Amino acid sequence: GESVGLHLPTLSVQEGDNSIINCAYSNSASDYFIWYKQESGKGPQFIIDIRSNMDKRQGQRVTVLLNKTVKHLSLQIAATQPGDSAVYFCAEPSAGYSTLTFGKGTMLLVSP
Amino acid sequence: DADVTQTPRNRITKTGKRIMLECSQTKGHDRMYWYRQDPGLGLQLIYYSFDVKDINKGEISDGYSVSRQAQAKFSLSLESAIPNQTALYFCATSENMNTGELFFGEGSRLTVL
Repeated sequence: GESVGLHLPTLSVQEGDNSIINCAYSNSASDYFIWYKQESGKGPQFIIDIRSNMDKRQGQRVTVLLNKTVKHLSLQIAATQPGDSAVYFCAEPSAGYSTLTFGKGTMLLVSP
Repeated sequence: DADVTQTPRNRITKTGKRIMLECSQTKGHDRMYWYRQDPGLGLQLIYYSFDVKDINKGEISDGYSVSRQAQAKFSLSLESAIPNQTALYFCATSENMNTGELFFGEGSRLTVL
């Protein structure tokens, strides 16, 4: 049978391109989402968050879009740089907001 | 100095040995977490604690135990390590979940032979 979880989805882009990393969620009642970046050899680091009363939120070179109709969010990175190479996770709080549940992650590779 | 410090950073041990991973934080946060990371599987929650007298199981607590010795210290123990516990372990802290921001340590890589 298929080995589940051994291969991380990977997005390869050229420096200067815009990158889009996607995340789907299943619970229509989910109301808060967070993106994390994990560089090689380091712990994950908070990038940006969005609440369900918003469709879009912008940070420095990053934008998160939320489509509640299809239960999908995306992280857009403008003018991608080699330093953006990392694994990106979407996350959401558990019921009761006691913990965070993370998605499986997407690896972004930026070539010069 | 790092806000969240994990020791050891790397450890190789044998099946059946008892292992303790330690975490200390200078953030002053009440909430502390232990996550496990396996390649391609994201981060899975092992245990979490909201204060010194509070311990809660996460989604994969079997085979693990924790101790919250003080607000700043949260240790993870493997009483009898087995090879499928080979993984990267992360400690994290948070002030609360209203901002969704966890502060992670640099990780402890454990190999069980």
